[in-house]
Amino acid sequence: AQSVTQLDSHVSVSEGTPVLLRCNYSSSYSPSLFWYVQHPNKGLQLLLKYTSAATLVKGINGFEAEFKKSETSFHLTKPSAHMSDAAEYFCVVSDQRGYQKVTFGTGTKLQVIP
Amino acid sequence: DTAVSQTPKYLVTQMGNDKSIKCEQNLGHDTMYWYKQDSKKFLKIMFSYNNKELIINETVPNRFSPKSPDKAHLNLHINSLELGDSAVYFCASSSRQPDNSPLHFGNGTRLTVT
Repeated sequence: AQSVTQLDSHVSVSEGTPVLLRCNYSSSYSPSLFWYVQHPNKGLQLLLKYTSAATLVKGINGFEAEFKKSETSFHLTKPSAHMSDAAEYFCVVSDQRGYQKVTFGTGTKLQVIP
Repeated sequence: DTAVSQTPKYLVTQMGNDKSIKCEQNLGHDTMYWYKQDSKKFLKIMFSYNNKELIINETVPNRFSPKSPDKAHLNLHINSLELGDSAVYFCASSSRQPDNSPLHFGNGTRLTVT
């Protein structure tokens, strides 16, 4: 069984300040982990993915995430928020036996204040 | 040159009607999916097809019937629409291998049943 918990439904930051979106997961197998972003009225876009190669993963638009097995966490960070980062962010876990077994988190809405 | 395209973007219809949503991908992927996103942004998988074969069929009313005429297309037909069917429906595709291949999403179809 696998699950993913996004600890915050809403996060609000000022433009230019750091972003932290928290994600904890549970998986019976070695998981693949992903972060997706959804802008209003758009589909989901892949930000980054972890597949056991390196624990610190760099993604698009300056985002990165660190896989911490001991804490079962995969938090998403960005050093400096931009107005265009305002969106919904989804943490996703998939066990590596087959990609079809995918579980989405409930999403974190990021608000960026000018 | 859109990767995953679905039509229509908006669909407003009355209860009891039958409607279809079409999806096409030009990424050469062998697996396609339908997801339902409710008003709270929660994403739930409905169906998955690999090479035109149904491989995931979650607990979805049998009023929903997917059809995959070929690897590049996965359509969703809904009979006897109900108010609770109102949601945003996303088509997605991926490669079966490697196992950690990310999902590529369409921009969604917003279905409103009145």
